[in-house]
Amino acid sequence: EIVLTQSPGTLSLSPGERATLSCRASQSVYNSYLAWYLQKPGQAPSLLIYGASIRATGIPHRFSGSGSGTEFTLTISRLEPEDFAVYYCQQYGSSPGTFGQGTKLEIK
Amino acid sequence: QVQLVESGGGLVKPGGSLGLSCAASGFAFSDYDMSWIRQAPGKGLEWISHITSSGSTIYYADSVKGRFTISRDNAKNSLYLQMGSLRAEDTAVYYCARADSGGYAGFWYFDLWGRGTLVTVSS
Repeated sequence: EIVLTQSPGTLSLSPGERATLSCRASQSVYNSYLAWYLQKPGQAPSLLIYGASIRATGIPHRFSGSGSGTEFTLTISRLEPEDFAVYYCQQYGSSPGTFGQGTKLEIK
Repeated sequence: QVQLVESGGGLVKPGGSLGLSCAASGFAFSDYDMSWIRQAPGKGLEWISHITSSGSTIYYADSVKGRFTISRDNAKNSLYLQMGSLRAEDTAVYYCARADSGGYAGFWYFDLWGRGTLVTVSS
């Protein structure tokens, strides 16, 4: 199965700053079938991005996804207070789909 | 309101059984594939089971195969997970999630999640 490694484990930034989160796959993700999720404390994950770069319904334009092959990036252009949470990537190009271990985005 | 609501979690002894339910509302449940995903305390996410929209095809992760059974009742807009031979490592929050394959993907991503229900396996 494909192992996804997210970095950094924790990212400390201030509101208004730009955040760049990385997701690296142990082998190429077929057709860039990669999704990103946001999980706030005590809540379920929610879908942000699928197909590596397609924003889910209702997701603000400050969230963007990019990448292909084994390297993927989630960028948040200007951090809002509600963006501080844990972010997970997930590949769904091959079975079983797998999740990364998460990046915690915390307020500096 | 489009939502999924899980129920049935609780404390169970090792080797015991427990059944979870997920009630769907606000969308055409019978049109969608569904999955169960779990998250152990302080850990990441693990997909464990999937059922197609009609219920005709089912998949399990190796970690639960032979012990867990997924099912659905489209007339009741409900998804189920029957868990048996439970182990301490099955302790987790269990989420039901609506699945989409995005076309020809080999697996699914999940565009709607419930709030989860906690299962604790301990003596």
